[in-house]
This record gives sequence, structure tokens and C-alpha cells, in this order.
Amino acid sequence: LAKTTQPISMDSYEGQEVNITCSHNNIATNDYITWYQQFPSQGPRFIIQGYKTKVTNEVASLFIPADRKSSTLSLPRVSLSDTAVYYCLVARPNSGYALNFGKGTSLLVTP
Amino acid sequence: KAGVTQTPRYLIKTRGQQVTLSCSPISGHRSVSWYQQTPGQGLQFLFEYFSETQRNKGNFPGRFSGRQFSNSRSEMNVSTLELGDSALYLCASSGVPPGTGTYEQYFGPGTRLTVT
Repeated sequence: LAKTTQPISMDSYEGQEVNITCSHNNIATNDYITWYQQFPSQGPRFIIQGYKTKVTNEVASLFIPADRKSSTLSLPRVSLSDTAVYYCLVARPNSGYALNFGKGTSLLVTP
Repeated sequence: KAGVTQTPRYLIKTRGQQVTLSCSPISGHRSVSWYQQTPGQGLQFLFEYFSETQRNKGNFPGRFSGRQFSNSRSEMNVSTLELGDSALYLCASSGVPPGTGTYEQYFGPGTRLTVT
């Protein structure tokens, strides 16, 4: 399973944009970058996935530079309800759903 | 559509006992994965099943085992329980065959296992 490195925790105020950067130096050509969100006492929830450049959906944007050794999850104008743990994963096609979540980044949003 | 369900939600066992946890995936989903979550180690992959076949296994001792039935429901078993097995065990399902390029899994609420 490909390994990732992301900050253990981050703090933000309501209404700000939050960017969480993840390092994945050993990413392989066919790997995808995937982000999940987990609220307390719940299972993780898929947020977004990308291969290169930029992907945007109704929840977040994912920026991936050309070398793909890192990625940045961008949450626009966060609210208190965005307080959660965010996991960056590298998914390898021949590993199926064997996903290495690690410890994630604990984001705390305050008023 | 009903989500992923896991039973039981809470369980208390004694060291040395064994335990079986159950997971019912979303209807139509054939891929089921299991994860262990602890404060110290985070969320770790246990195993993955697709169409009754174990496709991948994480780095856990042989005391941890699982299986998948023809209706895609899955069970995991932990034998000779140790205190360190206390954790939240999460099951996830997906409707897309593994390796097709999308990695969206749907997680259940988990089973909280406490070993005393």
C-alpha cells in the first residue's frame, strides 16, 4: 500500500478556505489520489478523487501538480460542520480496495 | 437504498475468547472491505473481498480472518482475543469492481469491540 504524509492537525475559522496538503513521494504511474472525510462516531465518507491537474465537485477541489508527488485538498469557506478528520490515500489499481488510511488530518473549525 | 449495516454495534469480550462481526453491504455491491480503527494506529486495512474471494489482506496476524457469502454479506472473525484488539471495526462496500479506477467506498457505522 502506497504511503502518504499529511499534517496531524489544522485549525481554521469559519468562512476561511482550508488547504490540506498531502505528500505521496512513491506514487506510481497508475495510482489515483483519493480523499475521505470522517466525522466522530461515523465511518469515513468519500470526498473526491483525482489523477492529475485539478478536480472539483460540490464539496471540495483537489489540486495535483505535474509530478504528482503531492496533492492539496481545498475546502472553500469552511463551516463548523466541516470539523472532521480528512484522509489522503493513494489507490493502486492492482491493490483493489486495500486502502491505507493512516491517521489523517484532524481539522478543527471554530467560530 | 439502505446503507451498509454492521452487527452488533457494540460488543464486550474477554481475553482469549473469539468474536464474529457481520457486515451487510449496500444492495448490489459485491466488494466488501474491513478496517480496524484505533486511536494509536489510525484506520488500518484488514482485508478485502470481491465475489466471495479474498483479494487483499493487510498486515494483521492470522487470528483475524474473514469470509464473504454468495449474497455479498461478509463476516470477520477474531480468535484468541487480546486487549489490543479493542477497536472500532469498520466495513465498507463498493459497487464498482476493484481496479477500475474509482475508489469510492461506502462505510458502515462500525462495531465497537472492547476486550477486557
